[in-house]
This record gives sequence, C-alpha cells and structure tokens, in this order.
Amino acid sequence: QKEVEQDPGPLSVPEGAIVSLNCTYSNSAFQYFMWYRQYSRKGPELLMYTYSSGNKEDGRFTAQVDKSSKYISLFIRDSQPSDSATYLCAMSEGGSGYSTLTFGKGTMLLVSP
Amino acid sequence: DAGITQSPRHKVTETGTPVTLRCHQTENHRYMYWYRQDPGHGLRLIHYSYGVKDTDKGEVSDGYSVSRSKTEDFLLTLESATSSQTSVYFCAISWDRADGYTFGSGTRLTVV
Repeated sequence: QKEVEQDPGPLSVPEGAIVSLNCTYSNSAFQYFMWYRQYSRKGPELLMYTYSSGNKEDGRFTAQVDKSSKYISLFIRDSQPSDSATYLCAMSEGGSGYSTLTFGKGTMLLVSP
Repeated sequence: DAGITQSPRHKVTETGTPVTLRCHQTENHRYMYWYRQDPGHGLRLIHYSYGVKDTDKGEVSDGYSVSRSKTEDFLLTLESATSSQTSVYFCAISWDRADGYTFGSGTRLTVV
C-alpha cells in the first residue's frame, strides 16, 4: 500500500461548481498537511497548510483534515477556469526527527467556461 | 519563482555524460531539496540538504550526487547520464523542516 493515495483524474467540472479533491494516507504519524497547485510546465506552489485535524479556509479554498480516517480534502468553491491545474497533497511527520514531505501523485482538475 | 532559481531551464545531453543542475536561493533557507517528476510517479525526492555540507539521500538517489558548499547553492550532479534520468527536476527550499516548500520553476532534462 502506497503511503499517500490520490486519484489522478482528470476531474472535469463546469465553471462555478464546487470541487472536492481528496487524499488518503496510511502513516498515522503524519501531522502536517498541505495542498499544492501546479500549472502545466510550472513548479508546484503551496496553496494550503494545516496542522493536525480540522478545517482551514482561505478565500474560495477550504482544507479539511480527518486524522481518525486518515483522509484529507481540498474544497474549491465557485471554481474558475484559472483553477485548472494539477493539485498535489503532501504531508509530513514533523516531530523531533527530520522527515521530508510525502507527496500524492496529484489530481488534474479541468474547469470549463 | 521569487527567491529560488534553477539553471539551466532546459538541457539535452548524451548518454554517459556528466550533468550538473544548479539551484540558487536568496531566502537564506536552511533546507534545500531536489525532486524529479515523472508521469505516473509524481514527485520523488532525490537528495536533500539540511545545512552547508549536510546532505542526505532520498528515495531515488542512485546515479545522483549533490553538493552544498554555500547556503544559497545546491548542486545536483548526474554522474553518467542515462535515458531513465530524462525527467523534470525541481529544486525546493524550506525555512524549517515542517514548513511548506517553495519550488523552483524546474529543469527539463532530456538524455539521448
């Protein structure tokens, strides 16, 4: 079983739709959870950063972490064609030791006008 | 991306030749990383650095070496390039180990 699972998509939605992107993971030691957005031929950019369980909202974006289910989500409200990109989840253990980020493989999102 | 630059942006090289990719940051971040990104595999960590002259291997380090002689520069060397190393290479930086990473724009490497 891979550590982080993410549906590759593509996920196609019309403009204005609510989008739900998800990742599941197996490592219960993960404490820091992130979402990155990557446009074609560009580097990933950090979109959302959360620690432990709960919700975090930033404009049209909401990140949700459910550690009991080992499941994280990114919701995009009022989706725009400019949201068309690949979204990668990432997580790390933190703690006293050093751990690097573990990335999902990304979900491609296509928002049509 | 502001504060982190990768060079070259594109490179075509022949099998068996050594290749060095450069990552330069102006953010004074302690941590630096090299990833490769391939279809079906996502981002895979090659090597990372947690300080000057302090480096460690990632999950796909075979055939790669790194050096960090200054805080701002992290070099990735393909000792003898192979076609399987054709990929997009990303450098990333972070202030602390639990922070989000800032990625560079990538180097597209083709080994023929």
